[in-house]
Amino acid sequence: DQQVKQNSPSLSVQEGRISILNCDYTNSMFDYFLWYKKYPAEGPTFLISISSIKDKNEDGRFTVFLNKSAKHLSLHIVPSQPGDSAVYFCAASDKWGDDKIIFGKGTRLHILP
Amino acid sequence: EPEVTQTPSHQVTQMGQEVILRCVPISNHLYFYWYRQILGQKVEFLVSFYNNEISEKSEIFDDQFSVERPDGSNFTLKIRSTKLEDSAMYFCASSAHRATNEKLFFGSGTQLSVL
Repeated sequence: DQQVKQNSPSLSVQEGRISILNCDYTNSMFDYFLWYKKYPAEGPTFLISISSIKDKNEDGRFTVFLNKSAKHLSLHIVPSQPGDSAVYFCAASDKWGDDKIIFGKGTRLHILP
Repeated sequence: EPEVTQTPSHQVTQMGQEVILRCVPISNHLYFYWYRQILGQKVEFLVSFYNNEISEKSEIFDDQFSVERPDGSNFTLKIRSTKLEDSAMYFCASSAHRATNEKLFFGSGTQLSVL
């Protein structure tokens, strides 16, 4: 039961270019979406979030776009830097539901020199 | 920046043995969680804990699992009789408010290997 899907297990992007990571969800009750970044041997760290009342949220080089009708969100990183190489997890929660956050399987981003 | 601390970083155990994974959440946080990630799979919710009791648990969190906050700082996950399929990276997390609409702070994880 994959409520949050990240269909690309990996992505390679040239340094300086835009990285676009995609995420789809199936549960229409989700109303808060997050992206976490994970380096090897570390726990996930929060990157950026978006509420369902918005369609865009920007924080420096990171922008998250939400398309509720398509149940799709994406994370844009521009320009991509070597330190962005990591696994990126899309996650979602339902404010009327329980405490858990549902994660996708992650996308490994490689930034090429 | 304050952080969530987990010990040990690696734990190897024999099938059927009990293990206790330890976590020190961020001091002013009120909500505590355990997640796990089996190699190559997604990060899965196990349990949430608030006000000294479990507030939510997943179907993975069966009778073999328990959580405890024995004092004001530690938060532990106990697996009574480990199985091979319990091998995973276990992450502790905490938050100031409920997970919905709130980011979680994760520890670095405990890699549990059941032989």
